[in-house]
Amino acid sequence: AQSVTQPDIHITVSEGASLELRCNYSYGATPYLFWYVQSPGQGLQLLLKYFSGDTLVQGIKGFEAEFKRSQSSFNLRKPSVHWSDAAEYFCAVAPMNYGGSQGNLIFGKGTKLSVKP
Amino acid sequence: NAGVTQTPKFQVLKTGQSMTLQCAQDMNHNSMYWYRQDPGMGLRLIYYSASEGTTDKGEVPNGYNVSRLNKREFSLRLESAAPSQTSVYFCASSAGTRSNQPQHFGDGTRLSIL
Repeated sequence: AQSVTQPDIHITVSEGASLELRCNYSYGATPYLFWYVQSPGQGLQLLLKYFSGDTLVQGIKGFEAEFKRSQSSFNLRKPSVHWSDAAEYFCAVAPMNYGGSQGNLIFGKGTKLSVKP
Repeated sequence: NAGVTQTPKFQVLKTGQSMTLQCAQDMNHNSMYWYRQDPGMGLRLIYYSASEGTTDKGEVPNGYNVSRLNKREFSLRLESAAPSQTSVYFCASSAGTRSNQPQHFGDGTRLSIL
């Protein structure tokens, strides 16, 4: 069965430090890959997506993610974290060749990011 | 710049009461979705509507019904609320039915059932 794993439930980093959030997926073929961010009391906002091509994708708010097929991973990175980045981050996958609806979007359980001053 | 609007934002119900959660989008999207979010569980799909006039079950449909009222609106109904349905409910929409069209989310409805 398809699955998405975010191994870290909660991460704390100091403001200005670098960040990497891990995401691994289990799928029969390379899926579409997404990262969403959820600020407290808000809905989910799309940070970035990978469909094909360059394996390093740039997103909003200074985030980037790298797709590594050999490791079935799509880790999210940011060189220097700001206090406003404190939020919960969700990795999600969707089948690439599914011709129907998006009912097959699968979310990881999320990683909560705290930022120390 | 509304995007996806959910009403109400908060609601407290008693066990056995019924409730309809409303969702409307102004992006002319074809597809709409209802999720629930529980601590440590991520988001789980309840129902979705690929296009106006169609609805399909997601991962956790039991205890819920949906109506795609028109292209803009997609409602979620709890006929007889149970404490296990205490959750945060999110509505989302996407432009089309293909997986490469990202979903846009509302701010959620926080529902408590006593």
